[in-house]
Amino acid sequence: NAGVTQTPKFQVLKTGQSMTLQCAQDMNHEYMSWYRQDPGMGLRLIHYSVGAGITDQGEVPNGYNVSRSTTEDFPLRLLSAAPSQTSVYFCASSYLVRPHEQYFGPGTRLTVT
Amino acid sequence: GQQLNQSPQSMFIQEGEDVSMNCTSSSIFNTWLWYKQDPGEGPVLLIALYKAGELTSNGRLTAQFGITRKDSFLNISASIPSDVGIYFCAGQPNDYKLSFGAGTTVTVRA
Repeated sequence: NAGVTQTPKFQVLKTGQSMTLQCAQDMNHEYMSWYRQDPGMGLRLIHYSVGAGITDQGEVPNGYNVSRSTTEDFPLRLLSAAPSQTSVYFCASSYLVRPHEQYFGPGTRLTVT
Repeated sequence: GQQLNQSPQSMFIQEGEDVSMNCTSSSIFNTWLWYKQDPGEGPVLLIALYKAGELTSNGRLTAQFGITRKDSFLNISASIPSDVGIYFCAGQPNDYKLSFGAGTTVTVRA
């Protein structure tokens, strides 16, 4: 099993550009989530999904969109990148019976200039 | 979001030492978890706690779910060099959302 994979590993965007961060898992987990990690602030939940076709907002959803068309994939879209979105982004997944016992991907480091 | 206060913010360890860190919340949590993050990687789950008063061990790690349900602590016994990293507490304010503390950075004392 590859676990949770994320691409790309690094990305630089200019303000106003859009892009999609990819996340995939091969553990048949129902629950998937996106977090951003900023220095001194821990991880903050952006969006999450409890199954294909179902998504909901987390703590900091503004500026981000998600969709869940399959169990395996949960892409995160930045519609119009802003410097405040410079961060490290982590995708995580888990079984719905234990949604908090999450497996994290390796992260995507995003810089917006 | 829910505010978790994690302390200390950083600590230095010497091989063989026992160390401890804790996390407090202004709200009651139903679940407490402890994760560790190595440089350049995603967090990895260490211990999950589901009942107030629960004390759970994972090797040299021991964590407790506070009786008030507003706090948790993590102890590391007999530290080794690979214990360095960032330790995060996390709590569950509702079914599907997880709130994280700011982390405790553990480094080796020179």
